[in-house]
Amino acid sequence: DGGITQSPKYLFRKEGQNVTLSCEQNLNHDAMYWYRQDPGQGLRLIYYSQIVNDFQKGDIAEGYSVSREKKESFPLTVTSAQKNPTAFYLCASSIGGTSGGARGELFFGEGSRLTVL
Amino acid sequence: RKEVEQDPGPFNVPEGATVAFNCTYSNSASQSFFWYRQDCRKEPKLLMSVYSSGNEDGRFTAQLNRASQYISLLIRDSKLSDSATYLCVVNRGGGFKTIFGAGTRLFVKA
Repeated sequence: DGGITQSPKYLFRKEGQNVTLSCEQNLNHDAMYWYRQDPGQGLRLIYYSQIVNDFQKGDIAEGYSVSREKKESFPLTVTSAQKNPTAFYLCASSIGGTSGGARGELFFGEGSRLTVL
Repeated sequence: RKEVEQDPGPFNVPEGATVAFNCTYSNSASQSFFWYRQDCRKEPKLLMSVYSSGNEDGRFTAQLNRASQYISLLIRDSKLSDSATYLCVVNRGGGFKTIFGAGTRLFVKA
């Protein structure tokens, strides 16, 4: 079955440490995204990539970094510069970057819950 | 002002009730509209797209009013399994231009 796989599902980090969240998709989608969700707030876009070897900052990119070396993979690194990293992180993909495919429908992974101790 | 606004609820309804959620959006350039469902501590999943002509999927009916810039979701004959958070989602063209509302929480009680 096609889908998006995120790992780990739960992660604990000490302050000052960098952590990398994995996101892999086998949907053959061009575009991939990272969102952050905090209680009582809508999803906020961290980074997105419309094509391999290219990515753009979203609304809250500070303290995060990404890479897109393969179409299937879009890992997110939460760096020590991120002041409030405890959150639920969601990776998503869509058929086309600019068109969004299917009028913008996004497909999500199960999420990674990061807690900073 | 948020670009997509929803009443956070919670809405507490008995089984079998009809419940309606509204959502407003501020950007008139918005092109496509969706309702997603998110269960507690899970990822959002597409419930249905929303069209100006209105669309229905079983017990769920979605409506779009472009003139007033609001979107609605009606759930008839509520089931316990409908308990979730419903996210109003607006797209301005391209997946990276997708804006999520904060969600409306629904609790259906026996």
